[in-house]
Amino acid sequence: GAVVSQHPSRVICKSGTSVKIECRSLDFQATTMFWYRQFPKQSLMLMATSNEGSKATYEQGVEKDKFLINHASLTLSTLTVTSAHPEDSSFYICSATRQGVYTGELFFGEGSRLTVL
Amino acid sequence: AQTVTQSQPEMSVQEAETVTLSCTYDTSESDYYLFWYKQPPSRQMILVIRQEAYKQQNATENRFSVNFQKAAKSFSLKISDSQLGDAAMYFCAYRSKRLYNTDKLIFGTGTRLQVFP
Repeated sequence: GAVVSQHPSRVICKSGTSVKIECRSLDFQATTMFWYRQFPKQSLMLMATSNEGSKATYEQGVEKDKFLINHASLTLSTLTVTSAHPEDSSFYICSATRQGVYTGELFFGEGSRLTVL
Repeated sequence: AQTVTQSQPEMSVQEAETVTLSCTYDTSESDYYLFWYKQPPSRQMILVIRQEAYKQQNATENRFSVNFQKAAKSFSLKISDSQLGDAAMYFCAYRSKRLYNTDKLIFGTGTRLQVFP
């Protein structure tokens, strides 16, 4: 149980286009989802926290208009990279907490590798 | 603000031997979660072990155990009988209990573990 699925796993786009990444909790309801960004050989950097039905909370230095996060249901959160540029190329990982379960554990998606040409 | 420090960027161990990965953290809170996550080349984050700060007993999961020193704010991971499949990036992480399931996970910089046959 507690499976989180991300789609797409890899995406290549042209500079200036927008890309949407989906994060789904397959067998549980996720009240809170977190979006992380990871550069090669580096740690995970939290971008934003999204709660179902409310606006996402962004970390300092993360552009809200560049990285649009929507958490429309208890099983789906989306990250849209708008007007993508080569510097947005990175590995994006989502994670979720399970509604009603307080073990502290976060469940991670497989990640999405974005390459902007 | 809480911080997590992993002072060993890389470690290596021979198959069947034991290795210890170090982690220290800083917090003013009295109760919280600590985790070790493994990230293999696939980039999927895998939970290795979890510790709640109020529990004095060190957590163990098969070949993985921790040495939790709350006063020293130290949380090291011991891997016994190392296997080739243990080769990965290991992240130490901290999570507050203050906001229940909406608290973020704070990661250390990671330790890359190599296992030699």
